[in-house]
Amino acid sequence: SQQGEEDPQALSIQEGENATMNCSYKTSINNLQWYRQNSGRGLVHLILIRSNEREKHSGRLRVTLDTSKKSSSLLITASRAADTASYFCAHNNDMRFGAGTRLTVKP
Amino acid sequence: EAGVAQSPRYKIIEKRQSVAFWCNPISGHATLYWYQQILGQGPKLLIQFQNNGVVDDSQLPKDRFSAERLKGVDSTLKIQPAKLEDSAVYLCASSRPSYEQYFGPGTRLTVT
Repeated sequence: SQQGEEDPQALSIQEGENATMNCSYKTSINNLQWYRQNSGRGLVHLILIRSNEREKHSGRLRVTLDTSKKSSSLLITASRAADTASYFCAHNNDMRFGAGTRLTVKP
Repeated sequence: EAGVAQSPRYKIIEKRQSVAFWCNPISGHATLYWYQQILGQGPKLLIQFQNNGVVDDSQLPKDRFSAERLKGVDSTLKIQPAKLEDSAVYLCASSRPSYEQYFGPGTRLTVT
C-alpha cells in the first residue's frame, strides 16, 4: 500500500495542551496534505506542504516535512475541545488515506 | 465558490438491490475521487478520474461497483447488487491536479 500512515491511532489531551501526530509514507512525493474529519462529516483540508518546503504554519497548526525520512508531523498548539476529530494525511501521488489519528481534547 | 455536491444524503436498501450515487464537483476541478468509508476506518479510495478518464480503480470491486464521469464533470457511482458489507459513507471529492481535495458531505448507505 502506498497510503499515508498516521500515528498514533488515538490521542487524548487536555484543553490548552499541544497535540502532535505523525504521518509516514513510502514513495517520493510532490506534496503532502493533512485533513480533519469531525464525527459524521466529510473531510476538510487543513494544510498542504510541498516537497521543497520543510515547515508550514496556518493559525494554530504547524506542519513539518522530512523527505529524507518520508515523514510529516502535524502540531496543533493550544488545543480546544472543537479540535476533537480524526486527522488524516495523504500525498498527491496516491490520494489514499490511512486509519487516521483520533484526537480527543477534554475540556 | 460552491462546494462538492452529493445526492442523496441517505439511502437505505435491501441486499441484492441496486443503488446509485451522484456527485457534482467544484467547477474547473479536473480530478474527481470516490471513497468508501466504513465506520471507524479511514476513507478507502475506490476510483479516481482525471477529466473523464480513469486514473486509478484498483480498489474498486468491479464485479458489483461501477462509476462513470461523462463529459468530465458530474459522476455517478453504482452498486449492483448491494451486499451488507457495502454499508458505509460514500464520499466524493474533487481537486485541481496536485492540489488539495474538497470533499462533499457524503452519502450514508445502509444495506439491510
